[in-house]
Amino acid sequence: GQNIDQPTEMTATEGAIVQINCTYQTSGFNGLFWYQQHAGEAPTFLSYNVLDGLEEKGRFSSFLSRSKGYSYLLLKELQMKDSASYLCAVTASGGSYIPTFGRGTSLIVHP
Amino acid sequence: DTAVSQTPKYLVTQMGNDKSIKCEQNLGHDTMYWYKQDSKKFLKIMFSYNNKELIINETVPNRFSPKSPDKAHLNLHINSLELGDSAVYFCASSPPSAAFIGELFFGEGSRLTVL
Repeated sequence: GQNIDQPTEMTATEGAIVQINCTYQTSGFNGLFWYQQHAGEAPTFLSYNVLDGLEEKGRFSSFLSRSKGYSYLLLKELQMKDSASYLCAVTASGGSYIPTFGRGTSLIVHP
Repeated sequence: DTAVSQTPKYLVTQMGNDKSIKCEQNLGHDTMYWYKQDSKKFLKIMFSYNNKELIINETVPNRFSPKSPDKAHLNLHINSLELGDSAVYFCASSPPSAAFIGELFFGEGSRLTVL
């Protein structure tokens, strides 16, 4: 099976930087993905990491260390609209390459 | 045009009833999924289906069954509804698994409430 762990909730201030961590244990790791989900809406794709290192996409960056089973999502210049749930997901041969999600981290951005 | 569409968006029904949720995608994807998101926002895979293979999460009760008339549609049938079935059900699709990079395209979700 697959086990994915991320903090339940985080708070941060508008304009700041926040890092959301995700650790995973899986068999036959393929890739790690981050999704954003606003309340009452569908998840939307943010980023993916297949190889170790940092992937940057505007204000959002995602990092992966396969040897440590660890990833983080870095959000810079936080805006109020970034208040949402951030879901870490993994695909692996052990899971038939079906995306398996963690429980999500609810990020609250306050003024 | 909506890429992945589900109907109905809201469904309120009594325990013991049978209901269906429909899903259609116009992205030309080969693989479709059903996920269940409970009150704690945990998004859990129920089924993955392409025109070759159905993969069922073994924890899903057999009261739930996917039906795919063609590769653009994957409907979810639920028999003998129970209170614990109340959740938001998300349909999603993705390109073939060989090229899969984890980008799922989700429908808007169908909120099922069982009374």
